[in-house]
Amino acid sequence: DQQVKQNSPSLSVQEGRISILNCDYTNSMFDYFLWYKKYPAEGPTFLISISSIKDKNEDGRFTVFLNKSAKHLSLHIVPSQPGDSAVYFCAASWGTSYGKLTFGQGTILTVHP
Amino acid sequence: DGGITQSPKYLFRKEGQNVTLSCEQNLNHDAMYWYRQDPGQGLRLIYYSQIVNDFQKGDIAEGYSVSREKKESFPLTVTSAQKNPTAFYLCASTENTEAFFGQGTRLTVV
Repeated sequence: DQQVKQNSPSLSVQEGRISILNCDYTNSMFDYFLWYKKYPAEGPTFLISISSIKDKNEDGRFTVFLNKSAKHLSLHIVPSQPGDSAVYFCAASWGTSYGKLTFGQGTILTVHP
Repeated sequence: DGGITQSPKYLFRKEGQNVTLSCEQNLNHDAMYWYRQDPGQGLRLIYYSQIVNDFQKGDIAEGYSVSREKKESFPLTVTSAQKNPTAFYLCASTENTEAFFGQGTRLTVV
């Protein structure tokens, strides 16, 4: 049973435009959500997170939105840059086990110059 | 430089052999984790340890074993009982709400 799902395997965007990556979850116990960026043969690097008590968190070009009623979150990247091209993973946790993460399948983002 | 070091980056083993993947951190984090990544899939939790001398099974622990004798070290042994060991293995540690990952070890069993 996939508790965290990223239904779009890939996304292609023009440089300067907005990238929107989506993530759905089924477990209502999740109370903390994170986005990671990953290059091939490397470990994921943390991008941005959001607690379930918020519905939006911003960090520079990255904004995460959380819709608890729909069990949906999204990552917006504005403006997109070619260096943003990577695999993006959505992850969720609950309680205080912040490293015990449930990951989505990932979305490959390609930003074209 | 503080971080998580996984070694080696690439590892080849013959079928039926046990192999141990190293993970060392100098971040002074209590909790450490092992994940596995397969193509087209998210990372799946194998084992985790929240304190020295204690560890728990994750979602896919069968065929794996771990130890946590020191705070800095959390080695993972892939045993011959693991039916499909070829994968990319990632070690992580946590501080507050953020998980930090190592660079990973690509294990190929031939």
